[in-house]
Amino acid sequence: AQTVTQSQPEMSVQEAETVTLSCTYDTSESDYYLFWYKQPPSRQMILVIRQEAYKQQNATENRFSVNFQKAAKSFSLKISDSQLGDAAMYFCAYRRGYQFYFGTGTSLTVIP
Amino acid sequence: NAGVTQTPKFQVLKTGQSMTLQCAQDMNHEYMSWYRQDPGMGLRLIHYSVGAGITDQGEVPNGYNVSRSTTEDFPLRLLSAAPSQTSVYFCASRRGSGTSGGRGTQYFGPGTRLLVL
Repeated sequence: AQTVTQSQPEMSVQEAETVTLSCTYDTSESDYYLFWYKQPPSRQMILVIRQEAYKQQNATENRFSVNFQKAAKSFSLKISDSQLGDAAMYFCAYRRGYQFYFGTGTSLTVIP
Repeated sequence: NAGVTQTPKFQVLKTGQSMTLQCAQDMNHEYMSWYRQDPGMGLRLIHYSVGAGITDQGEVPNGYNVSRSTTEDFPLRLLSAAPSQTSVYFCASRRGSGTSGGRGTQYFGPGTRLLVL
């Protein structure tokens, strides 16, 4: 089975600062997708950003960007200009075909 | 569009009882799936479907049944609930199937919290 590892159970960041959340994954495949999901206290899963493994360019969505290192099997999320609304659990996820694997999550606290 | 809807939002069961968690989507998505979320373990795939009449197992299928008679609905059945099935259950859907699983973005429902006593 594929595994997704998030080694930081908790992180904190000052408002307006930048924070990076780490994610590594294990796979022998070359074609797959990677995602970061945000889960606020409402429990709703919200897609933050996605990366297709065949694309070398790192994905960016406004203040969110990734550092995708395919050879190292690393997929970190950078949040710039952190806002109070960014406080949530963040899950890294891997998808190959129909199978989806999630990491255990990183709880992000934003300090005013 | 309502997106992905789930009912009920919260349910308490006694051990051995059966129940069905409902999931519906109005986006005409081919792919639908069920996950459970337990503390400290992230989301784990239970079952999925790539279209009406087609279902398959995910990572943790034991104790759960699914069927898909229509594109819109994908119910999850617990035939004999056990305390180990206490969890939050999420349904999700996305466009695309085929051998590669498609490229669609996955949308999640709001979740059902299940407590088995």
